[in-house]
Amino acid sequence: GQQVMQIPQYQHVQEGEDFTTYCNSSTTLSNIQWYKQRPGGHPVFLIQLVKSGEVKKQKRLTFQFGEAKKNSSLHITATQTTDVGTYFCAGSGNQFYFGTGTSLTVIP
Amino acid sequence: DAGVIQSPRHEVTEMGQEVTLRCKPISGHNSLFWYRQTMMRGLELLIYFNNNVPIDDSGMPEDRFSAKMPNASFSTLKIQPSEPRDSAVYFCASSPTGYQPYEQYFGPGTRLTVT
Repeated sequence: GQQVMQIPQYQHVQEGEDFTTYCNSSTTLSNIQWYKQRPGGHPVFLIQLVKSGEVKKQKRLTFQFGEAKKNSSLHITATQTTDVGTYFCAGSGNQFYFGTGTSLTVIP
Repeated sequence: DAGVIQSPRHEVTEMGQEVTLRCKPISGHNSLFWYRQTMMRGLELLIYFNNNVPIDDSGMPEDRFSAKMPNASFSTLKIQPSEPRDSAVYFCASSPTGYQPYEQYFGPGTRLTVT
């Protein structure tokens, strides 16, 4: 079954509000990736984290890999309508799994 | 440079028919992945090739599904016979490096409808 869970499943925010999605694995991951899929589109690679406790930033997006390498988060500061889409984490352990995804809606 | 190319983009077929989905990975990429995406099951990895060799096919649902990669620039996913529950978007993705999956580049997908 699914070994990489994400919460929340859905999130509606007002434009300008912050947004966070959390990714949790039942096993230790060697690395974690984040992807964004726009409605009707395909997943697009955003970033990869490899080190325990690693934090990376891309403009308004902040990605974090947990100390135990079992969880990760993506935080978006001051959301914009262009942030709409589904955000997936994907982890490599014994196998490779995509998370369940968090669908973000930004209300203008 | 062209990205991952998939064909057809849309396929509508009747139950029992054979369906073949095609993928051309990005030139120079060593790894190729086939995924299936549905609302119910999310994004599922079906099979993974490295240097044209199938490495992990544990995600292939059943014997009706088969995948081949005869050379570095072409792969197919075949469903025979197709069933309505196979309706989904099928994505192909390629990756530039080694055994462990690294950043993957997805194609636009094939939307399959089986009636």
